[in-house]
Amino acid sequence: NAGVMQNPRHLVRRRGQEARLRCSPMKGHSHVYWYRQLPEEGLKFMVYLQKENIIDESGMPKERFSAEFPKEGPSILRIQQVVRGDSAAYFCASSPTGGPNEQYFGPGTRLTVT
Amino acid sequence: GQQLNQSPQSMFIQEGEDVSMNCTSSSIFNTWLWYKQDPGEGPVLLIALYKAGELTSNGRLTAQFGITRKDSFLNISASIPSDVGIYFCAGRAGTASKLTFGTGTRLQVTL
Repeated sequence: NAGVMQNPRHLVRRRGQEARLRCSPMKGHSHVYWYRQLPEEGLKFMVYLQKENIIDESGMPKERFSAEFPKEGPSILRIQQVVRGDSAAYFCASSPTGGPNEQYFGPGTRLTVT
Repeated sequence: GQQLNQSPQSMFIQEGEDVSMNCTSSSIFNTWLWYKQDPGEGPVLLIALYKAGELTSNGRLTAQFGITRKDSFLNISASIPSDVGIYFCAGRAGTASKLTFGTGTRLQVTL
């Protein structure tokens, strides 16, 4: 059973460009979560999605960041007009249902903004 | 917002020793999860706890859900070199699905 897949693993963008991060949940999982990790810190929640719905985006910056989880295909985290402060590791997790369930993480995408 | 404090921040131990670390919160959590993260990788789930007072083992790892629901503990017995990494606690409060992560405990094992 394949785990959570994320691509690309590494992404370099210049300031002002757009970054698109992809996440395919584990087979049978329909709930996806995005977290951001700065160096030497714990993970910080960004957004929680089910297919075609954003359930909780309380951790998402108000501007430049958006997320979607379409009916078909992977979940996408999109960062427009990236700035140096966006450099971080972005992790996706999935669970079979919402609520008190374990979340399984992907390997992450390391975004570097130059 | 909610904060989870882990201690110790880092520890050096000798191979074969037992390890204890804990996680405390300023508010109540309904679920506690423990993860291990290796450099350049995502967190790997070790143990999940769902009830206050619950004690759960996974091989050499044992974790407990504190009675007050504001803390959790992780013990590793007879440490080996592959135990090296950063251990994170994570909690879920109320009906929310999102996880709040702790600050991490970095474990280094000397031979």
